[in-house]
Amino acid sequence: EVQLVESGGGLVQPGGSLRLSCAASGFTFSSFGLSWVRQAPGKGLEWVSGIGGSGGSTYYADSVKGRFTISRDNSKNTLYLQMNSLRAEDTAVYYCAKCSTAMVSNFDHWGQGTLVTVSS
Amino acid sequence: QSVLTQPPSASGTPGQRVTISCSGSSSNIGTNYVYWYQQLPGTAPKLLIYRDNQRPSGVPDRFSGSKSGTSASLAISGLRSEDEADYYCAAWDDSLSGWVFGGGTKLTVL
Repeated sequence: EVQLVESGGGLVQPGGSLRLSCAASGFTFSSFGLSWVRQAPGKGLEWVSGIGGSGGSTYYADSVKGRFTISRDNSKNTLYLQMNSLRAEDTAVYYCAKCSTAMVSNFDHWGQGTLVTVSS
Repeated sequence: QSVLTQPPSASGTPGQRVTISCSGSSSNIGTNYVYWYQQLPGTAPKLLIYRDNQRPSGVPDRFSGSKSGTSASLAISGLRSEDEADYYCAAWDDSLSGWVFGGGTKLTVL
C-alpha cells in the first residue's frame, strides 16, 4: 500500500524558512516522480513543484520560483521542500503527491498534508 | 484566478446526473490529458479520472470523463449523498511547464 507522510509544517514568521519532508513507502521510490501541491485555507489546489524519479528534472510554479527548492533522497525514500523567504500567501496545507510515472506526471496518491502558517 | 475554469458550485438530487465543466486552452487541455480529483470534506484529494476518461480501480462507473477541444467534463450519474465533495480538474500546461488546476467545484447533493 502506498503511503506518503508529510512533516515539518508549523508557524513561521514572514521572511523565514521551513523544510518539509515526505516519507514514502509501498512503492519503488526512485521509479516515480513526486510533487508538492498546496491548498490555502478555504481555497483550491495549487501545484507548487515537481521532481522526476532520478531527481534530475525539477519544475516550479512561478509563485515559488527562486524561493522554494524541491529535492529527494532516494536512499531514504524521502522528498523535501525547502521554503525560503516565506510570505503570508504561502500559508496552506502542503500535500506530497506521487506521480504515476518517473516523470512529473499526474498524481495518483496523496499524503494527508502538513499545515504551514506564515504569520508574525 | 485559475488557469482552468470550473463553475464554483453544482447540485443535484439523489439519483440525478450532474456534469461539471472545465475550460482551458490550447497549451493545456487542448494538447494534454485531463485529470479529475475528488476531495471529500477534511480529506486529501483522490484521483477520480485519468487520461481524460479512464477510471482507476475502485472508482465506480457512475463517474465518467470526456474531453473535446479545450474543454473537459466530469459526469456523475446516479448521484449519491457520499458524492458531496469538491471536484478539481487538472492538466499539464506546456507554456507554463507546470501543472494547472481548475478552481474547484463544490457539489451539493440536495
